[in-house]
Amino acid sequence: DGGITQSPKYLFRKEGQNVTLSCEQNLNHDAMYWYRQDPGQGLRLIYYSQIVNDFQKGDIAEGYSVSREKKESFPLTVTSAQKNPTAFYLCASSIGGVKYQPQHFGDGTRLSIL
Amino acid sequence: QKEVEQDPGPLSVPEGAIVSLNCTYSNSAFQYFMWYRQYSRKGPELLMYTYSSGNKEDGRFTAQVDKSSKYISLFIRDSQPSDSATYLCAMSAQGNNRLAFGKGNQVVVIP
Repeated sequence: DGGITQSPKYLFRKEGQNVTLSCEQNLNHDAMYWYRQDPGQGLRLIYYSQIVNDFQKGDIAEGYSVSREKKESFPLTVTSAQKNPTAFYLCASSIGGVKYQPQHFGDGTRLSIL
Repeated sequence: QKEVEQDPGPLSVPEGAIVSLNCTYSNSAFQYFMWYRQYSRKGPELLMYTYSSGNKEDGRFTAQVDKSSKYISLFIRDSQPSDSATYLCAMSAQGNNRLAFGKGNQVVVIP
């Protein structure tokens, strides 16, 4: 089945530790996105990538890093510089290109602090 | 003023009722309008997608866009308990893949 797979479903981080969230898609989409969802705040864009080997900061990029070495993969690292990392993290993808196409989402990773 | 405003609810309705949800926005450049449904502990699922003004119907769901009033709506007819979820509106400008989201509106359909 085509879709977006996020892993792990739940992740715990110790103080001062970096953790990496995985996002893989087999939809052959060019564009991929990372969002953070907090209660009462909606979705906020962390990073996005329109094409392999290129990515841009979103609205809340501080304390996060990404890479886009393969079309199907867009991992997100939550660094120790992110002081409030507890949230639900969502990865999305879209076809990309000039004409707008809707984004489709994975089922998220819930990150908590130990 | 936030770009997209959405009343978070919660909204409780009896089974079979019509659910009415709406969002207002401030950016007149928005041309693409989406509604997503999100069940607890799951990712958002695309429900409806419309371009510019007008209505779109898909089964029990109807999406309306009024660009002159900067107002979009989602109607769910004959609501079912399985419609209980959070509904997120989202919108984007032409040539811009970035989405602006509302905060989401929690809907509970009571059997």
